[in-house]
Amino acid sequence: DVKVTQSSRYLVKRTGEKVFLECVQDMDHENMFWYRQDPGLGLRLIYFSYDVKMKEKGDIPEGYSVSREKKERFSLILESASTNQTSMYLCASSISGSRTEAFFGQGTRLTVV
Amino acid sequence: ELKVEQNPLFLSMQEGKNYTIYCNYSTTSDRLYWYRQDPGKSLESLFVLLSNGAVKQEGRLMASLDTKARLSTLHITAAVHDLSATYFCAAGSLIQGAQKLVFGQGTRLTINP
Repeated sequence: DVKVTQSSRYLVKRTGEKVFLECVQDMDHENMFWYRQDPGLGLRLIYFSYDVKMKEKGDIPEGYSVSREKKERFSLILESASTNQTSMYLCASSISGSRTEAFFGQGTRLTVV
Repeated sequence: ELKVEQNPLFLSMQEGKNYTIYCNYSTTSDRLYWYRQDPGKSLESLFVLLSNGAVKQEGRLMASLDTKARLSTLHITAAVHDLSATYFCAAGSLIQGAQKLVFGQGTRLTINP
C-alpha cells in the first residue's frame, strides 16, 4: 500500500512563527504536492514538486515555500505564520504520467493564534 | 484557468434512493478524478476517468465522463448509510509529468436510514 505520512495531525502556532510541515512517502513517487483544504473551497494547490529540488507554484503559493532535498520528503514552510493560514493541510504523492491518481496523507490541522 | 464546480454541495437522501452528483470543469482537462473523504480522514481515490465516454463502476457508485460537455457524474444507486461522506471531483492537467489537480468544492452526502 502507498503510504503518505504527515508529521503532525494537529499543530498550534503563534502569529509570526516559522512553521514547518513535513511529509514523507514510501513508494518512490516522483511527484509530491501540498494542498490546503477550507470549508466550501475544496482543496487548493499550494506547491508541487516533480523531482528532487524541483518545484512549481500552485494556485495559492503566497506566504508559503517548499523544500525537497530527498525524493521521499517534501516540506511546506510558512515563513511567518498568519491567522489566515489556519487550515487543514494535505500532502499527496503520485508517480509520473497521466494515468495515475494522487495518494493523500492524513492531513495536518494547523491553527495560528 | 481551469475551474471545477460541483453540485449539489449538500445532499441528504434516504437509503435505497438513487442520486447523481455533477462535476463541471471549465477548460480542456487530461483526466477526471473522484475522491471520497470521511470526517477527520484523508482523501481516498475512487475513480480515474481517462477519456471521453469512460464509465467506471464500483459497488453502488458509477462515474462517467463526457469531455465534450466538460461534465462528469457520480451516480449512487440504492444508497446505503455507509456511503455517507464528502465526495470531491478533480480535473487534472499535466505539468512536468505531474497531474496538477483542481478540485471542486466537494459534495457532502448524508444518507439517512
